[in-house]
Amino acid sequence: EIVLTQSPGTLSLSPGERATLSCRASQSVSSTYLAWYQHKPGQAPRLLVYRASTRATGIPDRFSGSGSGTDFTLTIGRLEPEDFAVYYCQLYGSSPPHTFGQGTKLDIK
Amino acid sequence: QVQLVQSGAEVKKPGASVKVSCKASGYIFTSYDITWVRQAPGQGLEWVGWISTYKGNSNFALEFQDRITMTTDTSTSTAFLELRSLKSDDTAVYYCARSLLRGELSPLSDWGQGTLVTVSS
Repeated sequence: EIVLTQSPGTLSLSPGERATLSCRASQSVSSTYLAWYQHKPGQAPRLLVYRASTRATGIPDRFSGSGSGTDFTLTIGRLEPEDFAVYYCQLYGSSPPHTFGQGTKLDIK
Repeated sequence: QVQLVQSGAEVKKPGASVKVSCKASGYIFTSYDITWVRQAPGQGLEWVGWISTYKGNSNFALEFQDRITMTTDTSTSTAFLELRSLKSDDTAVYYCARSLLRGELSPLSDWGQGTLVTVSS
């Protein structure tokens, strides 16, 4: 089973700053099957990026995904107040389980 | 618009069973599969399993293999998750989510509101 490890566990930044979130796979994976989600308390998760770099419908262009092999990154170009949340990467290819990383909490500094 | 509406919160005793429903609307139910994800208190998202709404076949995380059933009722566009032999560790919010793409290998584009299942004696 492939394990996804996200870092940092918590990222404290101010609105207007740039956020860089990392997701590392325990073995090389196809970028076709890597997604990022945003999750706020009391709400359902929201798909941000899939295929490692394709933004989902309606997602602002300040969100961008990149990476390949074992290392993937979600970048939020200029933080808005509504961006403070928990972010998860997910691998949805090949055999189940379609693992999630443990999450990165982005909070306001 | 796509909507997934889940059944209400449940409180169960250890060893009991729970069945959570997820009613879909706004699209052709059998065109996109359903995945179940849970979040225990203070924890991250955990993939539970997936069901093909067209064929009815499913895949589950190994830890649930002996006590989980996923089904669909295409006549009402509803997916169901049944978990048996509940343990306190099963206390979580359970989400259903629709695949973005056709086929098993898809990210999850639309989510239900979540159903809190509490297992407590």
